[in-house]
Amino acid sequence: QVQLVQSGSELKEPGASVKVSCKASGYTFTTNALSWVRQAPGQGLEWMGWINTNTRKPTYAQGFTGRFVFSLDTSVNTAYLQISNLKAEDTAIYYCARDARGCTGTDCFTYFDDWGQGTLVTVSP
Amino acid sequence: DIVMTQSPDSLAVSLGERATINCKSSQNLLYTSNKKNYLAWYQQKPGQPPKLLIYWASTRESGVPDRFSGSGSGTDFTLTISSLQAEDVAAYYCQQYYSYPLTFGGGTKVEIK
Repeated sequence: QVQLVQSGSELKEPGASVKVSCKASGYTFTTNALSWVRQAPGQGLEWMGWINTNTRKPTYAQGFTGRFVFSLDTSVNTAYLQISNLKAEDTAIYYCARDARGCTGTDCFTYFDDWGQGTLVTVSP
Repeated sequence: DIVMTQSPDSLAVSLGERATINCKSSQNLLYTSNKKNYLAWYQQKPGQPPKLLIYWASTRESGVPDRFSGSGSGTDFTLTISSLQAEDVAAYYCQQYYSYPLTFGGGTKVEIK
């Protein structure tokens, strides 16, 4: 069965960087794009963007450019989210989510059929 | 950006009774070429990731109990739980995938009355 397993919680100081991983199993990694979704404490879901697992091309939503980087290591079926120059407002749970439609092109208008368990990133002095 | 507005923010329903959640989009989600509404519904229980319930506005994901149903078209959509069970206590989110950025509604919390 499809599984997305994320790395554990992180506690970071403002200005530091963090790298969250999302390891996929149970399917062919390059057939489905992966998105990242943020959930601030007690809040709703916010789509951050997606990465094409074939071309490695990331697409970022507005508000997630500059300090946020999506990357892949296809040799270990893993996607990464790196956030640099962390701010208190980055405190949130970050989810990876699998594209359900098998996007292969330049756009991925999709819903998400599998989710990682979430990684809590806490930014505090 | 397409804004998704859910109502109510929360509702309390007695066990076995019907729960109805509304989702309104600021733009039409019906793609005329394939006559599909680009809308999904998710359930999120406390401490868990979201779980896909419904896609294409009314197609139930495999394994989802048939007490969950989705309806609507264009800009107005509804998620109905026909007979609320204790395990249905959760937050529910709609999501549009018609255009970028993909956007979610603010969520509706369902509790037992």
